[in-house]
Amino acid sequence: GAGVSQSPSNKVTEKGKDVELRCDPISGHTALYWYRQRLGQGLEFLIYFQGNSAPDKSGLPSDRFSAERTGESVSTLTIQRTQQEDSAVYLCASSLGAGLTEAFFGQGTRLTVV
Amino acid sequence: GIQVEQSPPDLILQEGANSTLRCNFSDSVNNLQWFHQNPWGQLINLFYIPSGTKQNGRLSATTVATERYSLLYISSSQTTDSGVYFCAVAPTGTYKYIFGTGTRLKVLA
Repeated sequence: GAGVSQSPSNKVTEKGKDVELRCDPISGHTALYWYRQRLGQGLEFLIYFQGNSAPDKSGLPSDRFSAERTGESVSTLTIQRTQQEDSAVYLCASSLGAGLTEAFFGQGTRLTVV
Repeated sequence: GIQVEQSPPDLILQEGANSTLRCNFSDSVNNLQWFHQNPWGQLINLFYIPSGTKQNGRLSATTVATERYSLLYISSSQTTDSGVYFCAVAPTGTYKYIFGTGTRLKVLA
């Protein structure tokens, strides 16, 4: 597509439920990144994909967080048993090559855990 | 890991004023980008600038990778320039962008 697309834009969930966040990268972009931004804070790196493999998962905060990617297209970030501290905006980015080219961000998914 | 510090943390300007934002990083990097996060949260690409100087309208940026810093210049600021400015670096040997602490800019009419 023309830009990085994320869905849903907003998600409110109850504590303890699982959520799935989706990211559609720019067509042809092989690298895909997930970041988390808490209110008033900077962006924290979560995970990056090169194709459908994830060479760097170092930013995932706990084993409740996981992500997968289908080929060089859509990626899903899953948070199991959500906690209130998971409330944040989750941002996805894509680039032509991993870390070597310009990255473009989607509009984010605002997750609120109540 | 690499530290990415931005200064100043907060900046208030009168419309029409000029400003310089700084990004310091503690280790060597392959790449550097500047972003503007608007009040609606969207990250807008300003510059992809691993080294050298680039200009785009009222904005320009300079990266001196050997001295581990980058500067973003905003001239004749407008109220629409308000928001948070982030630099992001890709440390050498890694394949991810690490974001700086951000500069929150408010331009008053």
